[in-house]
Amino acid sequence: DTGVSQNPRHKITKRGQNVTFRCDPISEHNRLYWYRQTLGQGPEFLTYFQNEAQLEKSRLLSDRFSAERPKGSFSTLEIQRTEQGDSAMYLCASSLGGRAMNTEAFFGQGTRLTVV
Amino acid sequence: AQSVTQLDSHVSVSEGTPVLLRCNYSSSYSPSLFWYVQHPNKGLQLLLKYTSAATLVKGINGFEAEFKKSETSFHLTKPSAHMSDAAEYFCVVTPPLGGTYKYIFGTGTRLKVLA
Repeated sequence: DTGVSQNPRHKITKRGQNVTFRCDPISEHNRLYWYRQTLGQGPEFLTYFQNEAQLEKSRLLSDRFSAERPKGSFSTLEIQRTEQGDSAMYLCASSLGGRAMNTEAFFGQGTRLTVV
Repeated sequence: AQSVTQLDSHVSVSEGTPVLLRCNYSSSYSPSLFWYVQHPNKGLQLLLKYTSAATLVKGINGFEAEFKKSETSFHLTKPSAHMSDAAEYFCVVTPPLGGTYKYIFGTGTRLKVLA
């Protein structure tokens, strides 16, 4: 399968624990995005990478959240000291782009986080 | 700043009748616009996109959308609904070339198709 892959698909954690999610984008895509989707809402932008550089972070991304894309390929999103309000679907997307291109993003199936 | 407004949170149609899902956008620049569909327990799938070429855009599964700058609209239509079209639909705006490339989603429209 050559789509965007996210692991795990589901995560249940106790409040206060740390969690880490992984995203493997489509191999030739240089852009990678993280979004959060809560029930009944559209996805909200969290952060964006161009290759290994994190170029933008939303104000939604508190200091408990950190994302990395160390070699410009896969990415991880870590949430420290989870809170119940962090419960959501975390979506990863990737796209191919350059100065002259702004192509569509391909989304993974997401990681559903439940904080109990 | 850019935003999209999906005017209906829920739409119900009978199978075989036309579908209209409404989207209005706000943008300081000529934007790129997309429609994505999300079926239960599945990832977001691109239906169609507008990137300043033809204003009438045809997508997958018989959907199309028309970009109307004067009305700042990008409504999604389909002549005849099928049961498999039941899903959540999102209108998305993104800045033009040179922007931050992040996608701004509407709140979604849940389409119900009645037999």
